Amino acid sequence: DTGVSQDPRHKITKRGQNVTFRCDPISEHNRLYWYRQTLGQGPEFLTYFQNEAQLEKSRLLSDRFSAERPKGSFSTLEIQRTEQGDSAMYLCASSLGTSFGTQYFGPGTRLLVL
Amino acid sequence: AQRVTQPEKLLSVFKGAPVELKCNYSYSGSPELFWYVQYSRQRLQLLLRHISRESIKGFTADLNKGETSFHLKKPFAQEEDSAMYYCALRWVDSNYQLIWGAGTKLIIKP
Repeated sequence: DTGVSQDPRHKITKRGQNVTFRCDPISEHNRLYWYRQTLGQGPEFLTYFQNEAQLEKSRLLSDRFSAERPKGSFSTLEIQRTEQGDSAMYLCASSLGTSFGTQYFGPGTRLLVL
Repeated sequence: AQRVTQPEKLLSVFKGAPVELKCNYSYSGSPELFWYVQYSRQRLQLLLRHISRESIKGFTADLNKGETSFHLKKPFAQEEDSAMYYCALRWVDSNYQLIWGAGTKLIIKP
């Protein structure tokens, strides 16, 4: 297992288009997180899954954003009707289901909305 | 609301000099504090966490609840320490999400 993977690594899209990102966590990890990072800032929490259940969503996650983890393994993050303000690095992390589980991060998907 | 502040966006020190990266937090309860590091062209990775009380790559960090700080220190900087460093906080009932500082870019000059 080479760690958390994300696909694609880069995405350029036009405003108004829909985009979907995929995250494959470390195989035995039951917790999965999505973060967004803009230039000069630390990551901001978007949403969190425990197995297939989405347990928490940030207020940052507008109605245009949706995330799924249908079988408790990989996850997808979809952004509908993209806006220029959605341009950011989207990070996925996973952890074991213990109180002190370290979050392991993927390389991120960099989104540019033109 | 919980907040993590890293007051320095950039810190530049000479090789062999001591390094201190500052992190302050606001939270009234008992937090878990972390330092993550991101080397050039690499992903974010955990450097250390306060509950482990360990030294990683010569770095240490002590949680000071009185000053609400978790500063990262290393007595003798090495060129390979050049990276972005992020302080992060996790609190009770947070569903294990992390709140992050804006990061400090550490440059070690030869």
